[in-house]
Amino acid sequence: QVQLQESGPGLVKPSETLSLTCAVSGYSISSGHYWGWIRQPPGKGLEWIGSIYHSGSTYYNPSLKSRVTISVDTSKNQFSLKLSSVTAADTAVYYCAREVSYDSGSLWGQGTMVTVSS
Amino acid sequence: DIQMTQSPSSLSASVGDRVTITCRASQGIRNYLAWFQQKPGKAPKSLIYAASSLQSGVPSKFSGSGSGTDFTLTISSLQPEDFATYYCQQYNSYPWTFGQGTKVEIK
Repeated sequence: QVQLQESGPGLVKPSETLSLTCAVSGYSISSGHYWGWIRQPPGKGLEWIGSIYHSGSTYYNPSLKSRVTISVDTSKNQFSLKLSSVTAADTAVYYCAREVSYDSGSLWGQGTMVTVSS
Repeated sequence: DIQMTQSPSSLSASVGDRVTITCRASQGIRNYLAWFQQKPGKAPKSLIYAASSLQSGVPSKFSGSGSGTDFTLTISSLQPEDFATYYCQQYNSYPWTFGQGTKVEIK
């Protein structure tokens, strides 16, 4: 059974860098699929942040591209998100996901709440 | 970016009702459309991908249709566990984008 689990600080100060990791179990990242990050501000809708392939190929949302870095560590079967220069507008639940493919829908982690505040 | 517009934004329905939610893309996305269900405090759950393919483990009361710019999600007989917010997502062109959500409430 494939499972994804986000981890990282729940509180980040303004102007600092938000760092989250998604640990994948039950499936090898190297086997395929794109792996992505999505966020949801409190009471609002979903925003796709970006995704990565096991080879390291990445796609980012242009609205966040200047501040986002997604990386993968196949040896640990995990991938990570870094979002720099955060403000209160980056306060959200952050989800990691195995993205949709030709033969299956996406699979999401439970999400982790990150608050940007001093 | 491709804009995804869902309608209605919310609806009230009774147990046993047939419910249809519409999602319209601002440009053609072939059949690269997914539907999700989200309950309060929970992660979105995949229901449908490729516009009409049912995710493994999802009951057959959920169905999807459409291609190009217009898509629908249908729940054939609404049950108490189906009251939630539903989102569509296009994955034809980066950046992937979501609809604003449709909240299905109890009448």
